[in-house]
Amino acid sequence: DQQVKQNSPSLSVQEGRISILNCDYTNSMFDYFLWYKKYPAEGPTFLISISSIKDKNEDGRFTVFLNKSAKHLSLHIVPSQPGDSAVYFCAAHNTNAGKSTFGDGTTLTVKP
Amino acid sequence: DVKVTQSSRYLVKRTGEKVFLECVQDMDHENMFWYRQDPGLGLRLIYFSYDVKMKEKGDIPEGYSVSREKKERFSLILESASTNQTSMYLCASSFRTGREEKLFFGSGTQLSVL
Repeated sequence: DQQVKQNSPSLSVQEGRISILNCDYTNSMFDYFLWYKKYPAEGPTFLISISSIKDKNEDGRFTVFLNKSAKHLSLHIVPSQPGDSAVYFCAAHNTNAGKSTFGDGTTLTVKP
Repeated sequence: DVKVTQSSRYLVKRTGEKVFLECVQDMDHENMFWYRQDPGLGLRLIYFSYDVKMKEKGDIPEGYSVSREKKERFSLILESASTNQTSMYLCASSFRTGREEKLFFGSGTQLSVL
């Protein structure tokens, strides 16, 4: 039973346009959500996060939106740049259990 | 910057061998984790530890064990390697502030079991 799903394995956008990456979860015990970015031959690195008590968090070109009733979050990148091309992992954290559950990842390609 | 170092970048082992994957972090983090990454399956948690000599099973602990004798070091052990354990293994450490817990990952060890 996959508790965190990223239904799009890949996404391709043009430089300068918006990239929208989506993530759905099923467990209501998740109380903190994070996005990680992974380049080939490197470990994932933290990108942006949002607490379950908020519906939006913005950091420069990156914005994460949380819809708790729909158990859905999304990452918006505006404007997209070729250097954003990477695999993006959504992670949902359960503070009581002390662990994060990851989605399958979405490979973003930003074309110049 | 937090540094999480995994001892090997690539490892090739034979079926039935005992395999040790080592991980060291330099930021005095309490928490350490082992994940494996497989195509189409994302990152799956194998084991984690919140203190020295303490361990907790993750989502897929079967076939693995861990050791944490020192705070900075967390080892993953494959008692008898099998071909289905061929994977990318990622170690991570974290600190927690309130509900926020960010993971800092190593570069990974690509293990091939032949």
